[in-house]
Amino acid sequence: DAGITQSPRYKITETGRQVTLMCHQTWSHSYMFWYRQDLGHGLRLIYYSAAADITDKGEVPDGYVVSRSKTENFPLTLESATRSQTSVYFCASREGPSTDEQFFGPGTRLTVL
Amino acid sequence: DAKTTQPPSMDCAEGRAANLPCNHSTISGNEYVYWYRQIHSQGPQYIIHGLKNNETNEMASLIITEDRKSSTLILPHATLRDTAVYYCIVRVAGTSGTYKYIFGTGTRLKVLA
Repeated sequence: DAGITQSPRYKITETGRQVTLMCHQTWSHSYMFWYRQDLGHGLRLIYYSAAADITDKGEVPDGYVVSRSKTENFPLTLESATRSQTSVYFCASREGPSTDEQFFGPGTRLTVL
Repeated sequence: DAKTTQPPSMDCAEGRAANLPCNHSTISGNEYVYWYRQIHSQGPQYIIHGLKNNETNEMASLIITEDRKSSTLILPHATLRDTAVYYCIVRVAGTSGTYKYIFGTGTRLKVLA
């Protein structure tokens, strides 16, 4: 199916465990983004990527690691999950650096116990 | 980075115009204003964007003040399906030649039958 997908959609994990959230897009968009959404904060940018093997930090990168070996995939890893990382995570993609529209995935709800 | 300020919630009668204000007093001259909306817990969806001039598309109109310190999103004939959280966003330059979105906390619009 064309579009942007995230997996898993729901995840419960424990403090200290490693968790990887997957993001896949079928448009071959160059730019991809990871956001987290918490009550009272709107969406905050974690990391973004301009192309394969090019990644940059956003507003709240601490505790997260990203990679982009293929254009279509942009996984987000929590190396040692903490309760403060309980959130809804959205992946997004965009065709170009200043393309009008950014497309968001359906989100992953992560709970860290 | 520029920030946006929005009222936390608004109500609008079905069929009437919904006017959603946004303050972005620290915006720089080349930073665009974007509007997205989020229905339930889905990923945000693009509505409209602008720099200086007023803009209109099939979904909405965007009115930007001459000093660019504030803007208003107008949904001309609100329907129940327009009930959502509306985000006013400033697009700022990031690294790697890309642009990133700075989200506000959003306005929860409730359209009343």
